[in-house]
Amino acid sequence: GAVVSQHPSWVICKSGTSVKIECRSLDFQATTMFWYRQFPKQSLMLMATSNEGSKATYEQGVEKDKFLINHASLTLSTLTVTSAHPEDSSFYICSASRGSAGMDYGYTFGSGTRLTVV
Amino acid sequence: SQQGEEDPQALSIQEGENATMNCSYKTSINNLQWYRQNSGRGLVHLILIRSNEREKHSGRLRVTLDTSKKSSSLLITASRAADTASYFCATDANAGKSTFGDGTTLTVKP
Repeated sequence: GAVVSQHPSWVICKSGTSVKIECRSLDFQATTMFWYRQFPKQSLMLMATSNEGSKATYEQGVEKDKFLINHASLTLSTLTVTSAHPEDSSFYICSASRGSAGMDYGYTFGSGTRLTVV
Repeated sequence: SQQGEEDPQALSIQEGENATMNCSYKTSINNLQWYRQNSGRGLVHLILIRSNEREKHSGRLRVTLDTSKKSSSLLITASRAADTASYFCATDANAGKSTFGDGTTLTVKP
């Protein structure tokens, strides 16, 4: 089945530093991946759509200069939280789909990254 | 209110009982998906139902979709303690972007 690997699973960083989160599709190619943010006991909020070989599409209210997305290959998308601050502490999750626009397979999610900025 | 709203927000049942969760949405959809999330973990895809389908089964899961009412339900039969998790519905309406509801937290007591 489709597997998406997300790394790291948790990270603690100092305020002002940058953190990179990787999302890999292990057994399929994903031209599109999605990045979500989830606060405790809340739903997933879509941050951006990562497109292989082109610029990411950001949702309204998401700072593209703060959350840098790179989708350099068909199996890897990265999210870099730049100049992290405590308010960026959250659970970040990526997803990808084998099928066209998720029509047949739904989406496969990574296991998430717990970011804590101190 | 948000596309994809689940109710109830929280549900607590005894092992062996059935659990029913509902999801309502506002716009037309291509499909609707249900996911499970264990605390602090990623989401696991449970089942996808297309807009032209009315009911779908997968093991102990039964999903219904009523596009006229813009609602879906997820039934878990003969629940187990391991079913304890948060359950989300997600609607896929636009260019592959899924919109998630707020989720239902299910607790199954042994």
